[in-house]
Amino acid sequence: AQSVSQHNHHVILSEAASLELGCNYSYGGTVNLFWYVQYPGQHLQLLLKYFSGDPLVKGIKGFEAEFIKSKFSFNLRKPSVQWSDTAEYFCAFRDNYGQNFVFGPGTRLSVLP
Amino acid sequence: KAGVTQTPRYLIKTRGQQVTLSCSPISGHRSVSWYQQTPGQGLQFLFEYFSETQRNKGNFPGRFSGRQFSNSRSEMNVSTLELGDSALYLCASSPGLAGPNEQFFGPGTRLTVL
Repeated sequence: AQSVSQHNHHVILSEAASLELGCNYSYGGTVNLFWYVQYPGQHLQLLLKYFSGDPLVKGIKGFEAEFIKSKFSFNLRKPSVQWSDTAEYFCAFRDNYGQNFVFGPGTRLSVLP
Repeated sequence: KAGVTQTPRYLIKTRGQQVTLSCSPISGHRSVSWYQQTPGQGLQFLFEYFSETQRNKGNFPGRFSGRQFSNSRSEMNVSTLELGDSALYLCASSPGLAGPNEQFFGPGTRLTVL
């Protein structure tokens, strides 16, 4: 079955620390990959997405993610986090054949000022 | 462009009742998906509609149903409510059914079942 795993349930960092959130998906075909963020009390919104081309994609607010096909991974990174990055982060994928989005369980990030 | 809107935003019901939630997608979007979000379970996929047809369905009992209208607006219905149905119900719209089309989420309807 298609699935997405996220390595950490809750990550706590201090401001200016570097961030890497792990994401692995289970699917053998071509995938379209997404990272969404949910700030406290706000809608889920797209951070970045990958569907082809350069496996290193840049998103909003200084986030980037790298697609490594051989590892079925799409890890999210940010070199220096801010308190305002405190949120829940969801990794997701979708195939090209009309199957539904598959979301990971989410990683809660708390950034201490 | 207006975003995805969901009504009502908050709802309190008692066990055994039924509830209907509504979602208006972004103009021009033909795909609408529904999710249940709870602290313990994360985002659980309910179903997806495209051009008035259910295209994908998650692992929820038959008490959960939905439909999509010709203007792409969608409703979901939960009958015989249980305490465990308390959750944030999210609607997301997308221009298409597959590929790199991202989903745009609404603010959700917070359902509390007493």
